[in-house]
Amino acid sequence: QVQVVESGGGVVQPGRSLRLSCEASGFTFSSFAIHWVRQAPGKGLEWVAVASNDGNNKYYSDSVKGRFTISRDNSKNTLYLQMNSLRVEDTAVYYCARVAVAAWSQPFDIWGQGTMVTVSS
Amino acid sequence: DIQMTQSPSSLSASVGDRVTITCRASQGISNYLAWYQQKSGKVPKLVIYGASTLQSGVPSRFSGSGSGTDFALTISSLQPEDVAIYYCQKYNSAPFTFGPGTKVDIK
Repeated sequence: QVQVVESGGGVVQPGRSLRLSCEASGFTFSSFAIHWVRQAPGKGLEWVAVASNDGNNKYYSDSVKGRFTISRDNSKNTLYLQMNSLRVEDTAVYYCARVAVAAWSQPFDIWGQGTMVTVSS
Repeated sequence: DIQMTQSPSSLSASVGDRVTITCRASQGISNYLAWYQQKSGKVPKLVIYGASTLQSGVPSRFSGSGSGTDFALTISSLQPEDVAIYYCQKYNSAPFTFGPGTKVDIK
């Protein structure tokens, strides 16, 4: 079935790096933009980043710009989020989410279960 | 950047009540507005997109309205399974900002 599965979360010290992965199945990965969304414990949803279907267009929230890098390998049906210079405030569940239709301005219809990132000394 | 606000931040209503949540964008976003439902401990679920189009499989008691800057999500007859936090989101362009959420409970 259509799904995305995140991995790579864990506990990391402030200032260190972590790479998250989002593996897709059940659909033509290379046709869809994919987003990262995070949710800090007890808080709301925060959009983080997006990569276009071909990976050529990438956008970031101001809170992660310059520290996080989104990328994708369409041959592996996988999206990545390289997170550098991590801060305590980056602690959150990180979700990847697929857009509903193979076009840019679309809502998110497929969400993964999320992977927890804890930044703590 | 466009900011998204929601009101109220929480509400408590009886089963069968009509419930309305509002969302406001700081600038016009046409109808590029989605609503998500997140139940406790669960993944967000798309409920409404295009401001008023019901996502497949979502009960017809949910409806959306609005365009430009002011939007609303209405539950015509609140059910116990509707207890959740509801988020609006703009998706016309980056940043794809979410509203702060509205918590809906049963009285």
